[in-house]
Formats: sequence, structure tokens, C-alpha cells
Amino acid sequence: KAGVTQTPRYLIKTRGQQVTLSCSPISGHRSVSWYQQTPGQGLQFLFEYFSETQRNKGNFPGRFSGRQFSNSRSEMNVSTLELGDSALYLCASSFLAGGGNEQFFGPGTRLTVL
Amino acid sequence: QKEVEQNSGPLSVPEGAIASLNCTYSDRGSQSFFWYRQYSGKSPELIMFIYSNGDKEDGRFTAQLNKASQYVSLLIRDSQPSDSATYLCAVNRAGGTSYGKLTFGQGTILTVHP
Repeated sequence: KAGVTQTPRYLIKTRGQQVTLSCSPISGHRSVSWYQQTPGQGLQFLFEYFSETQRNKGNFPGRFSGRQFSNSRSEMNVSTLELGDSALYLCASSFLAGGGNEQFFGPGTRLTVL
Repeated sequence: QKEVEQNSGPLSVPEGAIASLNCTYSDRGSQSFFWYRQYSGKSPELIMFIYSNGDKEDGRFTAQLNKASQYVSLLIRDSQPSDSATYLCAVNRAGGTSYGKLTFGQGTILTVHP
């Protein structure tokens, strides 16, 4: 079974721009969670989608948004980029919703904001 | 107080020894516990999960959970240089506002030297 895939793997943007990241979960997995990883803050939860519905959201500003499609693929968008948004963005898929189930991470998208 | 705490390390053990990694959590409602391994420049890889008090063994890995003490640990037997990585402890409260959300510790850097 193929793992979680994320595109693109690397992005360089400038302040004020917006970016869209994509995640395809493991086949059959319907829950997708997004995380931001930085050296200072570690791994922080952004949001989770299940059956095209956002079921949970972390403590991030409204510039961070996402969606999920009927095939469970998910995208996240960051608008008006700031330098502090430079991070590794990870998505993780899970077979069931609820978060108490095992999550499997994709390779991540490394975003650099200049 | 951080929700999930780990010693940042680095923890250095000789090849063949037992590496012991510890994690404490503050939320008594936490129900699911996970250990991830992250190599430098890579995404986290799930290596163990445990839901009930006691020990769970998988090959060279043993996860231990003590909910009364709010403590979870990972033992790595016969440590190998390839085990050198950052080990992340993650917990989930399950249900409601915890859907899809794993709360991570800052990680413990493990170095296994030949």
C-alpha cells in the first residue's frame, strides 16, 4: 500500500504571498490531520478533516485554512505569508476519525518564507 | 507546565545497550499514546502505540504505560547505531475537541555509539 504523499516537497515564497499544500492519504484512510513543525515549537496541530468536514482546529490564525475532497485528499492554504510561517508542514492520515488511532505521516513540505 | 514533557537529551548509549526514553503528560483524560521516531530531515515514523496500562512489546521495542502516574516510556533493547534519531512521544485525549489531534513532546535525541 502506498504511503501518505505530499506535494510539493519544497517551496520558497516571499512575505505576503499565499501557498497551497496538498496531501494524499493512505488508500482507505479518511482522516487527515495537518501539523506544523519548527525547531522552537516542535510539532503543533493545525486541523483535522474527516469526510470533507473540519472536525478540529488548533491554535493558529485564520490565515491557515484547509479542506478535504471526496476522495479524502486534503489541501491546506496559508495566506499572507509571514517569516514565522517557515516550517515543515506535515500531514498524517488515519483509518478512523477520533485521533485515538494511529496516524501515519507523509514526507512533509518544507516551506521557506523570505 | 507543558502538556507532554520529555527529556531533550541527548541520551547516549553504547551499541547493544538498553535505551530508556521517558515521557510524562498532564491531561488525565489522555487515552492513546504513541512513540514516533524521526531521523534528521525526515518525517516522524510511528514505531509503537499503547492504549492500556502495562507493557507492550514489539521486537526490540517495549512501550510502558502507567496512567496513574501519567507516565509512558519506551525501551529499546540491543540498541543499534541505526536507532540514533529523535524520539517523539505523542498523546491523544480522544473524542470531541480532540479529533485527529496528537499533542507531542519536544522529543528526545538518542545517540547510539559503536
